[in-house]
Amino acid sequence: DTVLTQSPALAVSLGQRVTISCRASKSVSTYMHWYQQKSGQQPKLLIYSASNLESGVPSRFSGSGSGTDFTLTIDPVEADDIANYYCQQSNELPYTFGAGTKLELK
Amino acid sequence: QVKLLQSGAALVKPGASVKMSCKASGYTFTDYWVSWVKQSHGKSLEWIGEIYPNSGATNFNEKFKGKATLTVDKSTSTAYMELSRLTSEDSAIYYCTRKEEWAYVMDAWGQGASVTVSS
Repeated sequence: DTVLTQSPALAVSLGQRVTISCRASKSVSTYMHWYQQKSGQQPKLLIYSASNLESGVPSRFSGSGSGTDFTLTIDPVEADDIANYYCQQSNELPYTFGAGTKLELK
Repeated sequence: QVKLLQSGAALVKPGASVKMSCKASGYTFTDYWVSWVKQSHGKSLEWIGEIYPNSGATNFNEKFKGKATLTVDKSTSTAYMELSRLTSEDSAIYYCTRKEEWAYVMDAWGQGASVTVSS
């Protein structure tokens, strides 16, 4: 299975630029997606295919990368962005998710 | 708009089975795979498997083969997942999702169904 590694947590200040990383154990091409999950809610798709912004998602979110290294950037961070962020690969079955990065306020 | 409405929370005894539903609306049900995802308390997400409503074809995570059974009712645009021989390890929130076929991305999620296994 493809293992996705994320930093467990990041502390940020409002208005700051933050990057969340995700590293795959093998190449996933650009079949990498990012989800936001707020407490008590289902995950929500933010970025698909590494760099495509899902419809309705604010433009302060962006994604980049290919192969094994990917980043999700939020610029600037707003209070509403405090949540858990998960990367997910769909290059091969089984689809796998990273362990998640918890975005916290400093 | 696309909606996936899941059945409610379930409290089940160890060794029993549970069947949950996911009713789709706002799109052509038979055109998209439905995936199921497990989230244990406070933990990450695990992909269980998927079903293509048009044909009934399925793909599974090896870990969940024998544990999960996926079915659909095309007449009501509803997908089902049955979990068998439940243990405490199966206590979790289960999500159904729609998989967009071009990028293989789960672009819509149900609200989740909580399953608690306890005697």
